[in-house]
Amino acid sequence: SQTIHQWPATLVQPVGSPLSLECTVEGTSNPNLYWYRQAAGRGLQLLFYSVGIGQISSEVPQNLSASRPQDRQFILSSKKLLLSDSGFYLCAWSRGLSYEQYFGPGTRLTVT
Amino acid sequence: AQSVTQLGSHVSVSEGALVLLRCNYSSSVPPYLFWYVQYPNQGLQLLLKYTSAATLVKGINGFEAEFKKSETSFHLTKPSAHMSDAAEYFCAVSGMDSSYKLIFGSGTRLLVRP
Repeated sequence: SQTIHQWPATLVQPVGSPLSLECTVEGTSNPNLYWYRQAAGRGLQLLFYSVGIGQISSEVPQNLSASRPQDRQFILSSKKLLLSDSGFYLCAWSRGLSYEQYFGPGTRLTVT
Repeated sequence: AQSVTQLGSHVSVSEGALVLLRCNYSSSVPPYLFWYVQYPNQGLQLLLKYTSAATLVKGINGFEAEFKKSETSFHLTKPSAHMSDAAEYFCAVSGMDSSYKLIFGSGTRLLVRP
């Protein structure tokens, strides 16, 4: 069976500090990968997606970036965090040629 | 372009009452439709999906949804609410490009009163 992991589960970072969130999928190969953000009381905002290793598409211009160094690993980064980067970050995956997405447990980021 | 509208950001029902969460979509091609549930501080869990087979779709936890093309709707129902159903529910429609993106609604928070 397939499993998706995210870490860390929670993170408190000061403004201006760097960020690295990791997402890993097990039990499948060549998944589509997605990063979402949920601000407090808001819906889901798609940040990045990747349909293959090394392929990254950005949905919203911002100070975040994403990378896919391995087939089942998706990393969300920032060089300098802003207060507005606070939120709940969710990683998801889907099989190639499928819209059905499976979500990870999320990372709660608080920028102080 | 595809879009999803969820009517009602909050819905409150009594335990044992019917649950009805509304979702209307806009799509220029036959869509795939999904309902997800999110409990506090957790990721989203797939409740059910419509992929052009039967129009009445049954999901987990006693939920079901009916695809109505003429009304462009995909409302989520459950005959009898349980306290454990209290959560946020998201409707989603398939995008059109090769990214296999989903377009999510803004969510409906379901409150269940004892």
